[in-house]
Amino acid sequence: SYGLIQPPSVSVSPGQTASITCSGDKLGDKYASWYQQKPGQSPVVVIYEDNKRPSGISERFSGSNSGNTATLTISGTQAADEADYYCQTWDNRAVVFGGGTKLTVL
Amino acid sequence: QAQLQESGPGLVKPSETLSLTCSVSGAPLTNNFWNWIRLSPGKGLEWIGYISFSGSTNYNRSLNSRVTISVDMSKNHFSLMLTSVTAADTAVYYCARGRYDGSGCFYLDSWGQGTLVTVSS
Repeated sequence: SYGLIQPPSVSVSPGQTASITCSGDKLGDKYASWYQQKPGQSPVVVIYEDNKRPSGISERFSGSNSGNTATLTISGTQAADEADYYCQTWDNRAVVFGGGTKLTVL
Repeated sequence: QAQLQESGPGLVKPSETLSLTCSVSGAPLTNNFWNWIRLSPGKGLEWIGYISFSGSTNYNRSLNSRVTISVDMSKNHFSLMLTSVTAADTAVYYCARGRYDGSGCFYLDSWGQGTLVTVSS
């Protein structure tokens, strides 16, 4: 079955840019979405269709997807961005999640 | 925006069947895909399966033999049954709406608040 690999953790200083990667075989031929989940809360989609932001999501969130890697970029990172982030794609009519990345804002 | 709310027992005994319901408001079940996802302690999100607007289902292969997702259009809710549960099935269970635009992008745009189910005797 298809798999997505994410780094377990990423650290960033406030105001800097955070990049979270998601790797999968020919992932660039599929669409990637990204979810933010804070402790005790439900996941929220922050990027879908590789680089589209839902209404209400900050412009500081952006996405790209090419080759085998999709990337979520958070510019001007704030303490409120500290959360778990999951990538997700669609393969053979099934939903596939990455293992998740814990973003720490130091 | 659809609103989703999970309900069901918070405690299930080992070997028994876990049953949850997701009540949906603000969106008809005749559109989109209706999913169950879980978050186990110390682990990441795991997709369980969905039922589509046409009534077809698709399940995670790792759970396939134990999962059934069904829909009740008259009540605008859909349900999850997971049989023969063990402690490994202890998790927060979420229901979510899946959007598919036909071009290959499928994403989950509305989620319930989640419900904790503990498997223990």
